[in-house]
Amino acid sequence: QSVLTQPPSVSAAPGQKVTISCSGSSSNIGNNYVSWYQQLPGTAPKLLIYDNNKRPSGIPDRFSGSKSGTSATLGITGLQTGDEADYYCGTWDSSLAVFGGGTKLTVL
Amino acid sequence: QVQLQESGPGLVKPSQTLSLTCTVSGGSISSGDYYWSWIRQPPGKGLEWIGYIYYSGSTYYNPSLKSRVTISVDTSKNQFSLKLSSVTAADTAVYYCARDFLRLFDYWGQGTLVTVSS
Repeated sequence: QSVLTQPPSVSAAPGQKVTISCSGSSSNIGNNYVSWYQQLPGTAPKLLIYDNNKRPSGIPDRFSGSKSGTSATLGITGLQTGDEADYYCGTWDSSLAVFGGGTKLTVL
Repeated sequence: QVQLQESGPGLVKPSQTLSLTCTVSGGSISSGDYYWSWIRQPPGKGLEWIGYIYYSGSTYYNPSLKSRVTISVDTSKNQFSLKLSSVTAADTAVYYCARDFLRLFDYWGQGTLVTVSS
């Protein structure tokens, strides 16, 4: 059972937009920045979004993040087949790093 | 470009100790800007943070694993290591090392699968 709650799966057609939610509590998301990680099949997670809504160098602006209260959302526009992956939200709860259970994105 | 590489046995017997090392290249583990973490992922499941170490040797462990975990650092080799004792099949996972910069994991190793089986 993960500390942060994500939907197990989402799907959308190429070119469409999708959002992935991440729900927590006041002790984690409510008081800390949220990061998002993309895990392509068979690879290590990769930092996608940090500090709620910032993108590391090289991450296209099709990816966006937001946070409100104890929830966060990852948005992906202009979906591509290469976006098929597992997406994880992460934050901290005191000195403990916590993650969501992951959301599998299928691009139909 | 910072790179991290995990190494260690891929098979460990139940009740024994799992030992892994992460070698950091392209940057110094002694930089005061970073913490160095271990994270694991059981097959088909999500991510679980195990703990971190600072170059000075200070550590913090996930309370759920604290009694069995030891993370150490060797700055002369630019490496940090994980020991997990009394392993069971539930400890079978891909183990990742990662750099923690201001509470985000910006660089990850490729991961190494450790199977606990007799």
